[in-house]
Amino acid sequence: AAGVIQSPRHLIKEKRETATLKCYPIPRHDTVYWYQQGPGQDPQFLISFYEKMQSDKGSIPDRFSAQQFSDYHSELNMSSLELGDSALYFCASSSAYEQYFGPGTRLTVT
Amino acid sequence: AQSVTQLDSHVSVSEGTPVLLRCNYSSSYSPSLFWYVQHPNKGLQLLLKYTSAATLVKGINGFEAEFKKSETSFHLTKPSAHMSDAAEYFCVVSGSAGNKLTFGGGTRVLVKP
Repeated sequence: AAGVIQSPRHLIKEKRETATLKCYPIPRHDTVYWYQQGPGQDPQFLISFYEKMQSDKGSIPDRFSAQQFSDYHSELNMSSLELGDSALYFCASSSAYEQYFGPGTRLTVT
Repeated sequence: AQSVTQLDSHVSVSEGTPVLLRCNYSSSYSPSLFWYVQHPNKGLQLLLKYTSAATLVKGINGFEAEFKKSETSFHLTKPSAHMSDAAEYFCVVSGSAGNKLTFGGGTRVLVKP
């Protein structure tokens, strides 16, 4: 069965650079979520989209923005990167209660 | 508002013995509850879910959990641990379909031979 696809899987950036993370949800899933998992921490909700509209917002810094496109894929844009942004970024998609997670993008900021 | 507390940050068991991971939740409405597992350097895999149907929920890999409203608990159990069960386990709550997930702090399970 098709799963959530995230790209890239690994990304290394320097401070103050920008990064774009992509997420391709499971076909026919209409909701996409982004989570950030810092080292040794549990995942924290960042933002979600339902039918291409932002549906909920969590602890997402103003330096970050995201959107969902007409083909339902989503992109998380991160600017002015800081060392503390180093984390595993998960995308999840759902059509009801269950959220299915992608493998994550590991972002390292040096 | 909703929150989840996993009562043990680490659990160590011997292979073949039972596993119990404890989770208490707080929610102002009828929650949906989940257990996810994360193996080292891997993504999050759904083990099982509770969405107001049967209170005893069976999941993958022999895991099950029981929803107890009176105790606001959703403990995860497995009768016999396997070496491959060594991982981080997250108890998760969601208010309703389409809502964000709130994760507990995680329980790291170590399985000894």
